[in-house]
Amino acid sequence: QVHLQQWGAGLLKPSETLSLTCAVFGGSFSGYYWSWIRQPPGKGLEWIGEIHHSGTTNYNPSLKSRVTISLDTSKNHFSLRLSSVTAADTAVYYCARGEVESHFDFWGQGTLVTVSS
Amino acid sequence: SYELTQPPSVSVSPGQTASITCSGDNLGEKYACWYQQKPGQSPVLVIYQDNKRPSGIPERFSGSNSGNTATLTISGTQAMDEADYYCQAWDSSSAWVFGGGTKLTVL
Repeated sequence: QVHLQQWGAGLLKPSETLSLTCAVFGGSFSGYYWSWIRQPPGKGLEWIGEIHHSGTTNYNPSLKSRVTISLDTSKNHFSLRLSSVTAADTAVYYCARGEVESHFDFWGQGTLVTVSS
Repeated sequence: SYELTQPPSVSVSPGQTASITCSGDNLGEKYACWYQQKPGQSPVLVIYQDNKRPSGIPERFSGSNSGNTATLTISGTQAMDEADYYCQAWDSSSAWVFGGGTKLTVL
C-alpha cells in the first residue's frame, strides 16, 4: 500500500520561502505525476503543480512565477518551494500521487502553513 | 481556464439518496472523479474515471458523467457520509481542476 508522509516548516513570515517535502513509501515513482495541492482555511482545493518521475514539471499559471517542484528519486522524495509568501498563502498543503490525466489516488496527511508577521 | 461548478450544499435524510452535481464545459468528454473530505482529514478518492470505485469504498457510492454534468450518487446515505465532496477533472489546458466543493448534510 502506498503511503505519503510530508513535512516542513509550519510558520513563516511574509516574503519568506515555503519549503515542504513528501516521502513516498510502498510504491514506485515511475509512471505517476506527483503533485502539491493546497486548501486555505474553510475553502476549496487548489492544485499548485506537479512533477513526473522523469523530472518534467507543470505548474498552475497563477503560482508559476513563485513555485519550484523537484524530486530525489534516490530517496523517493519530492519537494515544494514557494517563494515570497504572503498571508494569502496560508493553507493546508497536501502532496498527492496523480494517475495520468485522471485522479489523485493517494494523499499525504497535510501540513498547515501559516504566514504571519 | 477550465472551471467546474458544484452546489455549495446538499441535504439528505438518513437512508435516502443524495445526488451531488458537478458542471463543466463538455465535462462528459473528460474523466471526472470525486473526493470525500471530513473535517481535519485529507481528501479520500471515492469515485474515479466517472464511475469506478476504489477498493474499500462502499457500493452505495456511484458516479456518472455525460454532457456537461458529472453526478455523485450516494444511495442509502448514512450519517458517516456527512462531509465535503469535491469533483475533479483533468483538462489539457488547465491541468488538474477542482470544483468548489459541496457540503453534504445528513439530517
